[in-house]
Amino acid sequence: DSGVTQTPKHLITATGQRVTLRCSPRSGDLSVYWYQQSLDQGLQFLIQYYNGEERAKGNILERFSAQQFPDLHSELNLSSLELGDSALYFCASSTHMNTEAFFGQGTRLTVV
Amino acid sequence: SQELEQSPQSLIVQEGKNLTINCTSSKTLYGLYWYKQKYGEGLIFLMMLQKGGEEKSHEKITAKLDEKKQQSSLHITASQPSHAGIYLCGADPDIIQGAQKLVFGQGTRLTINP
Repeated sequence: DSGVTQTPKHLITATGQRVTLRCSPRSGDLSVYWYQQSLDQGLQFLIQYYNGEERAKGNILERFSAQQFPDLHSELNLSSLELGDSALYFCASSTHMNTEAFFGQGTRLTVV
Repeated sequence: SQELEQSPQSLIVQEGKNLTINCTSSKTLYGLYWYKQKYGEGLIFLMMLQKGGEEKSHEKITAKLDEKKQQSSLHITASQPSHAGIYLCGADPDIIQGAQKLVFGQGTRLTINP
């Protein structure tokens, strides 16, 4: 158990819908990262927050947004969902920046 | 953009045998992370290498970083069924203080036959 908690574990939704994925980082970790893993694209970085502020951004779609709250938990919002958004979404956290990140078990999103 | 290529993509070995997985970068490596993933599950952190020539070991797994070759290798000695899984290497394409956005290889799927 990495100490990073993601909810829900599975999510099935229809195209065009909006969903929110939640992440609780390890106790004391200030940095939160979101990654998307799909069969064709592999594991891709989406966005990083550090203590509530956005620090790094990857190829995150405009339909996706994230935030980190004062209690350090983070949410990834996915809207206008398309079939191609079906993937495993991982949250990871680290104590500081530029150190090893610990991953949660992921949320498996299926868009039908 | 930085790309990481892992080889082999798939590996089947007999229990007890040694094996090596390689990760080659298209650009200079400033640091290299190794993770292990069980199918459909989260990534488990194995090791982080930051300096050229650095070598780290944990139990029967050893990782090395060759900055000149822009390559890292992961070596498992006397493999066990518990070593089975997908091994991923990751690297940060930029050295920006306070930011980390790892690029990952496509993974090496390791199967251990009893």
